[in-house]
Amino acid sequence: GEQVEQRPPHLSVREGDSAVITCTYTDPNSYYFFWYKQEPGASLQLLMKVFSSTEINEGQGFTVLLNKKDKRLSLNLTAAHPGDSAAYFCAVRASSSFSKLVFGQGTSLSVVP
Amino acid sequence: EAAVTQSPRSKVAVTGGKVTLSCHQTNNHDYMYWYRQDTGHGLRLIHYSYVADSTEKGDIPDGYKASRPSQENFSLILELASLSQTAVYFCASKSNTGQLYFGEGSKLTVL
Repeated sequence: GEQVEQRPPHLSVREGDSAVITCTYTDPNSYYFFWYKQEPGASLQLLMKVFSSTEINEGQGFTVLLNKKDKRLSLNLTAAHPGDSAAYFCAVRASSSFSKLVFGQGTSLSVVP
Repeated sequence: EAAVTQSPRSKVAVTGGKVTLSCHQTNNHDYMYWYRQDTGHGLRLIHYSYVADSTEKGDIPDGYKASRPSQENFSLILELASLSQTAVYFCASKSNTGQLYFGEGSKLTVL
């Protein structure tokens, strides 16, 4: 089945710097991708939903890139601020399983002033 | 108002005891899920359900049972809790577009 590898597990950047989190997946037919943010002690909140037809998706302060050829999904936070400190998870819905999302292992991001 | 609510939010159980985690959703979603979260493992799927009175095994079902008595309610049952089941458990419901809506989480400590 689908497998998702997320890197790095921990990331520390200075305020104003960029931060990049990457997920690679195995199923070339995967078509829905998600990024979730989890603040300390809280639940997971959807950051962005990406369809396979769109390779660049922009949000508020971040960009999600989908490289279908390399089966790689990345979350780029531009000009990170302390409020971005959280755990981030990618999730992939494989073509073989409509019912399930496969999550990456998570990245703990720390933005220091 | 929170659309997915879990109870209890925190529980301490003894090894071999029975634990029931409850989840209630007001999203009118058919699919509901139970995940466990461990440091370094992300979220792993335990059980899920797409209709009342029916449950499906996820990726790590051993040691867990699930119950879906109604569309709104989905429970996770640990008949004989073990130390290795210490974790944070999340319930979620899924919209037709595939987005998961998570509850606040239930922190379970087994001693």
